[in-house]
Amino acid sequence: EVQLVESGGGLVQPGGSLRLSCAASGFTVSSNYMSWVRQAPGKGLEWVSIIYTAGSTYYADSVKGRFTISTDNSDNTLYLQMNTLRADDTAVYYCARHGTIFGDPLDLWGQGTLVTVSS
Amino acid sequence: DIQMTQSPSALSASVGDRVTITCRASQSISNYLHWYQQKPGNAPKLLIYAASNLQRGVPSRFSGSGSGTDFTLNINSLQPEDFATYYCQQSYTTQYTFGQGTKLEIK
Repeated sequence: EVQLVESGGGLVQPGGSLRLSCAASGFTVSSNYMSWVRQAPGKGLEWVSIIYTAGSTYYADSVKGRFTISTDNSDNTLYLQMNTLRADDTAVYYCARHGTIFGDPLDLWGQGTLVTVSS
Repeated sequence: DIQMTQSPSALSASVGDRVTITCRASQSISNYLHWYQQKPGNAPKLLIYAASNLQRGVPSRFSGSGSGTDFTLNINSLQPEDFATYYCQQSYTTQYTFGQGTKLEIK
């Protein structure tokens, strides 16, 4: 079955770090562009970061310099390392798959993992 | 960054109605525009890609059009399962911005 399963969310204090994982099955993460998208409670969708098949990465201005996206071919997993977390990073984080061409939409989504930043 | 503005923010309609949701980009994005549907507690689902292409498995009552800066999502003959929040997203640049969403509610 083709699917994405996120994990790693939880409660963290402001200034802390967390690493989210997104395990893929049925396809190879390194063969597709992959993104993280988040949704604060009761709010809309916010694109966070993308990694291209060649390894290039891009970030929303709100997380640039604090978050790092990566993939691991050995376990077919997408990661999001989140450092210096702030209260406004509180959200459900979704991983999602693009196609293999620039501009492709997000055609497969995980179920999401909740990150809460609070003291 | 490209800003995406949807209208209306909320919409009330009845089963069987036809509704239109619009999305405007702050600059031309060609046809790099996609539409998603999200129901409470669930992940978004791709409906329309590249402005007018129906994703596999999506009912044909959904359609999209537009190019450049102005885009529309049409839903013909609303069904009970269509009441949800709809988002547009541009992929013209590496900052893949979403619209703020349109909540479609039952009248």
